[in-house]
Amino acid sequence: GENVEQHPSTLSVQEGDSAVIKCTYSDSASNYFPWYKQELGKGPQLIIDIRSNVGEKKDQRIAVTLNKTAKHFSLHITETQPEDSAVYFCAASMEYGNKLVFGAGTILRVKS
Amino acid sequence: GAGVSQSPRYKVAKRGQDVALRCDPISGHVSLFWYQQALGQGPEFLTYFQNEAQLDKSGLPSDRFFAERPEGSVSTLKIQRTQQEDSAVYLCASSLAPSYEQYFGPGTRLTVT
Repeated sequence: GENVEQHPSTLSVQEGDSAVIKCTYSDSASNYFPWYKQELGKGPQLIIDIRSNVGEKKDQRIAVTLNKTAKHFSLHITETQPEDSAVYFCAASMEYGNKLVFGAGTILRVKS
Repeated sequence: GAGVSQSPRYKVAKRGQDVALRCDPISGHVSLFWYQQALGQGPEFLTYFQNEAQLDKSGLPSDRFFAERPEGSVSTLKIQRTQQEDSAVYLCASSLAPSYEQYFGPGTRLTVT
């Protein structure tokens, strides 16, 4: 089955700097890659996603890139703010059933 | 608009008790998923419904876990004879249709003592 690895496990950045979180997946049949933000005591919140027919997608300060050949995808957050501090999860799924396989998460701390 | 809601938010059970966790998906969402999230880990898939049909239950860890969605809306996850290793946050997610974005509820934190 699919396996998703996520790095780093923790990331501290200064406010205003950029943050990059990387994930790799094992199953070449996966074609949908969402990113979720989870704050303490809350459920995961979808922040951006990308499908396999696209190499990059951007939404304001957040962007995701996908390299299908290398089977890795990354989340880029620019101009980080304290409210970006949270746990971020990447995930992958195949079309059928689309159950998500998650990475282990990255704790992002933005220091002001 | 209303998102996915789950109840109770917190549940403490003694080992051996049965528990029932409820999920109210976003109105009109066809697909419903249950995930289990252990402390410090990513969510792990348990089971999937399309309307009232349970199409995938490959993630249920044992036959003590049972899920239903009898009318294709509200879903209940039941755990019989709870064990300490069942302690986790149970997340429900719904999506408009297969292959659409999944939206998560706040989760139910189950603690088995």
